Amino acid sequence: DADVTQTPRNRITKTGKRIMLECSQTKGHDRMYWYRQDPGLGLRLIYYSFDVKDINKGEISDGYSVSRQAQAKFSLSLESAIPNQTALYFCATSDPDGSSGNTIYFGEGSWLTVV
Amino acid sequence: RKEVEQDPGPFNVPEGATVAFNCTYSNSASQSFFWYRQDCRKEPKLLMSVYSSGNEDGRFTAQLNRASQYISLLIRDSKLSDSATYLCVVFPNFNKFYFGSGTKLNVKP
Repeated sequence: DADVTQTPRNRITKTGKRIMLECSQTKGHDRMYWYRQDPGLGLRLIYYSFDVKDINKGEISDGYSVSRQAQAKFSLSLESAIPNQTALYFCATSDPDGSSGNTIYFGEGSWLTVV
Repeated sequence: RKEVEQDPGPFNVPEGATVAFNCTYSNSASQSFFWYRQDCRKEPKLLMSVYSSGNEDGRFTAQLNRASQYISLLIRDSKLSDSATYLCVVFPNFNKFYFGSGTKLNVKP
């Protein structure tokens, strides 16, 4: 089983709909991230959280919101989806103070298509 | 200027070739550096960390040049299975990771 699990893995939704992408991890890491990836643009940070009470905007947070429900869970919401939010979304975790050092670990990704 | 820059490629090489990628970073205070591999439509996975003294893992060698602010990845004896996109990752300030856009490698028979 994956240490970082994302659901759904694939979703097609209509413009204006609300959609939530969920992420859970079993690595025990405090830090969690949401990225989106578009062809030619690489990974862009949407939001990140260093613990349950800490939420920070990344470089492209407009149109998105997040919730850190527990250390292990970090969800991303699109309140009113628009077509240019069509992308591959990754959840990730890291623990700079732990045995894994500064390594970042990714979930398998969620393909979102907004039509 | 981007925090991390990579040549997008693609690098098209025959099996058995040696290929090298470079990645430049802008923050001279950066402390941690990594190479990740990403297969098409999959998540990035850690290939190797990059240490100041350089490090080698089988056919892969990573090096850091702090003076010129770049890291490199050398792949020897390329295999078909090495075909992927290679991402350079820099961790400058213990807050956020910065990713290059990736360099695409195609190894051909």
